[in-house]
Formats: sequence, C-alpha cells, structure tokens
Amino acid sequence: AQTVTQSQPEMSVQEAETVTLSCTYDTSESDYYLFWYKQPPSRQMILVIRQEAYKQQNATENRFSVNFQKAAKSFSLKISDSQLGDAAMYFCAYRSAKTSGSRLTFGEGTQLTVNP
Amino acid sequence: GAGVSQSPSNKVTEKGKDVELRCDPISGHTALYWYRQRLGQGLEFLIYFQGNSAPDKSGLPSDRFSAERTGESVSTLTIQRTQQEDSAVYLCASSLRGSGRTSSTGELFFGEGSRLTVL
Repeated sequence: AQTVTQSQPEMSVQEAETVTLSCTYDTSESDYYLFWYKQPPSRQMILVIRQEAYKQQNATENRFSVNFQKAAKSFSLKISDSQLGDAAMYFCAYRSAKTSGSRLTFGEGTQLTVNP
Repeated sequence: GAGVSQSPSNKVTEKGKDVELRCDPISGHTALYWYRQRLGQGLEFLIYFQGNSAPDKSGLPSDRFSAERTGESVSTLTIQRTQQEDSAVYLCASSLRGSGRTSSTGELFFGEGSRLTVL
C-alpha cells in the first residue's frame, strides 16, 4: 500500500519570503500522480500543483513549484513571495495511474502560517 | 452547478441517531469518492464509486457506514447509530474517471464538506 508522509505539522513564513514544505511517499509503482492541495478554513480542498511521475521536469504554477525526486520518493513544495492568502493547511497526495488504482492517499498535512 | 455540491453543510445529531449526507458530483464525472477528516487530521478514504462497477468499500470503518450511488449521479453516505467518534468533516470528491493515463489530469475535485457533530 502507498503511504504519504509530511514530517512538518506546522510551518511559518514571513510575508514575501520563501518556504518549502516537505513530502515523502512510498510506492512500488512507477507510474503515478503527485499533488499538493491547499485547505483554507473554508474546508474546500483546492489543487495547488500536480506532477506526473513520468515527467522529469518539475511542475511550476506561478509562485508555486515542486522539487520532484523520483528515486528518493520526495515531492516538496516551494512557495515563493509568500502572501497572507497562502495561509492554510497543505496536503501532499499520491494517486496511482493504473486503471485499477484510483484513490488519493493523503499525508497528515502541514499547517502554514504567513506572518505580516 | 459547476462544482461538487454537498449537503447539509453542518449537521448536529444525538448519539444513536442515523444521518444521511448527500453529494452531487460535477456533471460528467464518473468517479466519486468519500473521505473523512477528523479535526486537525488528514483525509481518510472511505469509499469509491466508478461508473457501474462494484464500489471499493475498503475504507469504511464499520458496518454502520454505507453509501449508495445511482449511476453517475448523486451519492448518499449513511451513518447508522451515530457515535461521538463519528464527528468529523465528510468530504466528497469527483473526477473524470477512476484512473489511468486517459483520465488526463488525475485530479480530484472536492466539495466543501459536511461537518457532522455527534453529541
């Protein structure tokens, strides 16, 4: 079974600074997706960024980028120029790309605080 | 609607009562998921529906929990004889199809959840 581990329960960053959230995962599969979701107090899970395992290039979405290390099974999220609106719980998630595997497996989350 | 819709948004019930939570997925999404999120914790998989295939019920914590989905439309999660440990936010999500490269992005789209409080 796949597992996802986020070793940082809480992180804080100053507004306009950069912060990196860590995520590691365990799988025996070679083809899969990795995601970072953001959950603000409204409870709505919002997709931040997505990475397909067969792509070597790290995904980037505006101020958000990932460092995907497939051999190390590591998938960290970097937030540049942090804004107050980035404050939320961030979840790392894994999903198999096989036809038979489909659920998202989540880590325990990292609570990000952005200080003005 | 354009997104995943869940109701009720909040539900307070007494221990021992039954509750039903509803999820209306995005139109055209064949896959539907239920997750449970206890306070301050991650998401715990409950059940997954894909089209007319048999659902994956492997995450249901006890036989008090059940879910139904008719075709590719609305799903209902039922909790019988509720206990205080059932208190949580129940999140529903949908996607274009269960998995596989042809599912394009693999992304799940989530509703805002139903917060259940069992007194």
